[in-house]
Amino acid sequence: DAGVIQSPRHEVTEMGQEVTLRCKPISGHDYLFWYRQTMMRGLELLIYFNNNVPIDDSGMPEDRFSAKMPNASFSTLKIQPSEPRDSAVYFCASSPSWAGRAFFGQGTRLTVV
Amino acid sequence: DQQVKQNSPSLSVQEGRISILNCDYTNSMFDYFLWYKKYPAEGPTFLISISSIKDKNEDGRFTVFLNKSAKHLSLHIVPSQPGDSAVYFCAVIPGRGGSEKLVFGKGTKLTVNP
Repeated sequence: DAGVIQSPRHEVTEMGQEVTLRCKPISGHDYLFWYRQTMMRGLELLIYFNNNVPIDDSGMPEDRFSAKMPNASFSTLKIQPSEPRDSAVYFCASSPSWAGRAFFGQGTRLTVV
Repeated sequence: DQQVKQNSPSLSVQEGRISILNCDYTNSMFDYFLWYKKYPAEGPTFLISISSIKDKNEDGRFTVFLNKSAKHLSLHIVPSQPGDSAVYFCAVIPGRGGSEKLVFGKGTKLTVNP
């Protein structure tokens, strides 16, 4: 199994631009999570899906952030417009039936200048 | 407010010795506790977990201890190896009734010196 696949690995964009991060979870996993890692806040959960349905988006920082999961094999996290404070590493993770042993992708390092 | 606290940002030990990583949590209702390991430029990987009904769980060189009265969790690595050098995150599943949120501490960077 290829594991959780995230793209791109690195993204540099200018303030105000739209950014889309992509994730392909492990096949058969019912849960998908988006996390953000920063020095100040550590790893924080942004949103998670169960069977493609958003369950908890209380961690999404602002309306500029949105996430979708149109099918079981694909999810996107979009930031529009992006701001320098959005610079962080964004992780996608999936889990077969329960959050505990979530499998993480390698992350997308986002830099907004 | 942090629900999970790892007060030591870094720890350095000699190869072959014991590494002890600590974690404190705020809510006595937390059910499940986990440790994840993270190497640079990679995502976190699951290491070991423990349920609130236990006080110890072992997996090879890794042992997790849970002290519910103190709301304290620790990870012991014996013997430590240079390949164990990584950032270790303590995590909890805080909700009851189906919540699947993993809440992480800020991590402790472990360096094992040869």
